[in-house]
Formats: sequence, structure tokens, C-alpha cells
Amino acid sequence: GAGVSQTPSNKVTEKGKYVELRCDPISGHTALYWYRQSLGQGPEFLIYFQGTGAADDSGLPNDRFFAVRPEGSVSTLKIQRTERGDSAVYLCASRRGGGQGDTQYFGPGTRLTVL
Amino acid sequence: GIQVEQSPPDLILQEGANSTLRCNFSDSVNNLQWFHQNPWGQLINLFYIPSGTKQNGRLSATTVATERYSLLYISSSQTTDSGVYFCAVAYNQGGKLIFGQGTELSVKP
Repeated sequence: GAGVSQTPSNKVTEKGKYVELRCDPISGHTALYWYRQSLGQGPEFLIYFQGTGAADDSGLPNDRFFAVRPEGSVSTLKIQRTERGDSAVYLCASRRGGGQGDTQYFGPGTRLTVL
Repeated sequence: GIQVEQSPPDLILQEGANSTLRCNFSDSVNNLQWFHQNPWGQLINLFYIPSGTKQNGRLSATTVATERYSLLYISSSQTTDSGVYFCAVAYNQGGKLIFGQGTELSVKP
């Protein structure tokens, strides 16, 4: 596609439920990143994939958060037993990689609200 | 970890005015990007500028890597320039971006 796409754009769930957020990177981009942005703050890093593997997952806040990228393209961020503090905008970014470009391009985000 | 500080935190301008936004960072970096987050929340790439100077229309940016700061210049501001401007850095070219707190710009007609 022309840009990074994320679905859904909005997700409202109840405390304790499980959610999945999807990211479609720019076609041909090998690197994919997840960030989280709370109100009034800059985005904070969660996890980085190079191809299918997680190259850096140091930003995942706890073991309720997990992300996969099984075919090296689409990625899913999974949150178990959601808490009200998980409410935020979840942003995905992709980068061409392979020494051909270092700019990260961001999607529109998924706004998650945990009631 | 690396610290990124942006100033000023807020800025109100009259349409047509010029402005300079600053980004200071606490360690050597190999990646620096400037973004504009529009009122709908979309992060729009402005510049990839780990060093040197670039210009794109009314916007330009300069990064002095040895002194650990970057400047974003906006000339002849327009109401559509309103939003939050973020600076983000990374230790290595492919690594995670660390964002500053942003500068919220409001351009009045």
C-alpha cells in the first residue's frame, strides 16, 4: 500500500478482555516498530521486528503484551487481561531497511480505550 | 538512556510569523527525525536529519551532531502548521526512536 495502515482505528474494550491490533507496513519494508502514545506525551517504543523476528522487545511493559510478525509483513500486537492504564494510541511504523533507508514512517494509530 | 528535550513546550504565533523549535539530546545519535503530528494524530515525516542542513519549502532543519542539538525553522507560518512537533533520535540508524515531549504550535489567523 501507499502508507502504513492500522486496524481498527478505534477499539473500546472492558477491563480484563483480550485485544489484537493489526499493522500493515509499507510494501517491501523489512523493519516494523510498535510505539504507544499517551495523552500529552511523545510516543514510547514497545518492540521492533527485523523480518519475522523481534530484534528488540525491551519496551514491552510486561508479559501481558506480545507481538508477532509471522511472515515478515503484517504484525499483530496482542494485549491480554487489559487494564485501564493500557488506554493509549498504539502506533506502528515501518522502515525500508537493508541499508536502503533509515526513515521510519508511521501509521495513523489505533486508539485503545479500556473501560 | 538518552534524554531528548524540546523547547519551547508551547508556542503561539500570528499567521505569517517565523519560528525556531529546538531539540537537545544527551548522547551521540545516528538517526534524528522531525515529525509534525496533526490534529487527527497522524505523525507526518518532516526531515530525516542526523547531521547537516535540509530545506523543504517553508521548513528547514539543522542538526549539529557534535553539540547534540537540532533546530527546526518554520517561516511564514500558516494555520495548517498548527499541531505538535516532535523530535526523535536513535543510537543507531535502524533502532528504536526516542521522542521528546514535543512543541505544541498554534498559528492564529
